[in-house]
Amino acid sequence: NAGVTQTPKFRILKIGQSMTLQCAQDMNHNYMYWYRQDPGMGLKLIYYSVGAGITDKGEVPNGYNVSRSTTEDFPLRLELAAPSQTSVYFCASSYSMANYEQYFGPGTRLTVT
Amino acid sequence: AQTVTQSQPEMSVQEAETVTLSCTYDTSESDYYLFWYKQPPSRQMILVIRQEAYKQQNATENRFSVNFQKAAKSFSLKISDSQLGDAAMYFCAYRTRRSYNTDKLIFGTGTRLQVFP
Repeated sequence: NAGVTQTPKFRILKIGQSMTLQCAQDMNHNYMYWYRQDPGMGLKLIYYSVGAGITDKGEVPNGYNVSRSTTEDFPLRLELAAPSQTSVYFCASSYSMANYEQYFGPGTRLTVT
Repeated sequence: AQTVTQSQPEMSVQEAETVTLSCTYDTSESDYYLFWYKQPPSRQMILVIRQEAYKQQNATENRFSVNFQKAAKSFSLKISDSQLGDAAMYFCAYRTRRSYNTDKLIFGTGTRLQVFP
């Protein structure tokens, strides 16, 4: 099992550019999440999904979009990058409400200049 | 809304000694989970320990244990026999247990633990 994988590990974007952060898990987990971690802060939830075809907003969704066409993949899209989106992005997954441990990917460090 | 507060931005401990990291939270719910996550320099988030609010007994995992005070809404982490590999950021997190909600985690701002030889 690779667990939760994220690509890329690092990325530098110019203001106004777009990109997709990839996240995949091979544990057959229903629940998937995107968090961002700003310097010196805890993680904040951007979007989450409870299964293929179902997504919902978290605490800080503005400027992002997600889709969940398969159980395995949960990409995060930045349409018009802004400096405020400079952060480390973590993807996580969990099996269900009954199994409450979230497994995290290694993170993507994004810088917008 | 639930909040999680970690009032110690940094802590340090001598190798083999014991250290306690503090966490308080605010909620109106009676049933929930609490977690401690470790984030080493590799950035990987690693679950250290979890506590179900309905359980009175404090959780333990080897050298890690918690002091869960539900009435005081306090959830501290004790690390015994500290090792150099324990050096990391430690995050306290809260999750509701309501069945109609997803298991979203609410994180504190973290405590950076340094371990000195």
